Amino acid sequence: DAKTTQPNSMESNEEEPVHLPCNHSTISGTDYIHWYRQLPSQGPEYVIHGLTSNVNNRMASLAIAEDRKSSTLILHRATLRDAAVYYCILRDSAGGTSYGKLTFGQGTILTVHP
Amino acid sequence: NAGVTQTPKFRVLKTGQSMTLLCAQDMNHEYMYWYRQDPGMGLRLIHYSVGEGTTAKGEVPDGYNVSRLKKQNFLLGLESAAPSQTSVYFCASSYSLGSTDTQYFGPGTRLTVL
Repeated sequence: DAKTTQPNSMESNEEEPVHLPCNHSTISGTDYIHWYRQLPSQGPEYVIHGLTSNVNNRMASLAIAEDRKSSTLILHRATLRDAAVYYCILRDSAGGTSYGKLTFGQGTILTVHP
Repeated sequence: NAGVTQTPKFRVLKTGQSMTLLCAQDMNHEYMYWYRQDPGMGLRLIHYSVGEGTTAKGEVPDGYNVSRLKKQNFLLGLESAAPSQTSVYFCASSYSLGSTDTQYFGPGTRLTVL
């Protein structure tokens, strides 16, 4: 299975943009890039996903490198409620044994300062 | 909609005791999952179900059993609890196994085995 590499932790100030990087140099052409986040003492929640093109939704933006070996989750204006662990996950769409499954790494702990 | 709910929220067991964790979802999802999360780690898949009456093993199935007698419920059983099963357990559900589909998570059950 393709793996992802994320920094252990990052810090930001409230109302500033945050760029959370993820490296996935062994990504296959059929892997989707997903981001989930886990707020303190809660279950993970979906943030965004993409395949090749950059994606935007109400929560965040996802910028995908042209060679797809890295991606960046962008929170445009961080709030205190965005403090969480952010997971970058590759999901196989090719129908193999890992098809559709979520494999969580350790993620990036985002701290937001007031 | 309540989404995904889990019962109980907390439990303390002695080694060798048994217990059942209940997960319920009201989104009419076909697919349901049980994960465990150990301190400082990402989630790991224990078992999952692709529909009523079906179950399959995930990454760390040993020591657990599951049942899906009703579409909306997914039970996780520990027949003889061990201290190594001290963890936070999360249930999730999704409409499909598709690599673009979102998994919705419950709030978790914190289990301590003494």
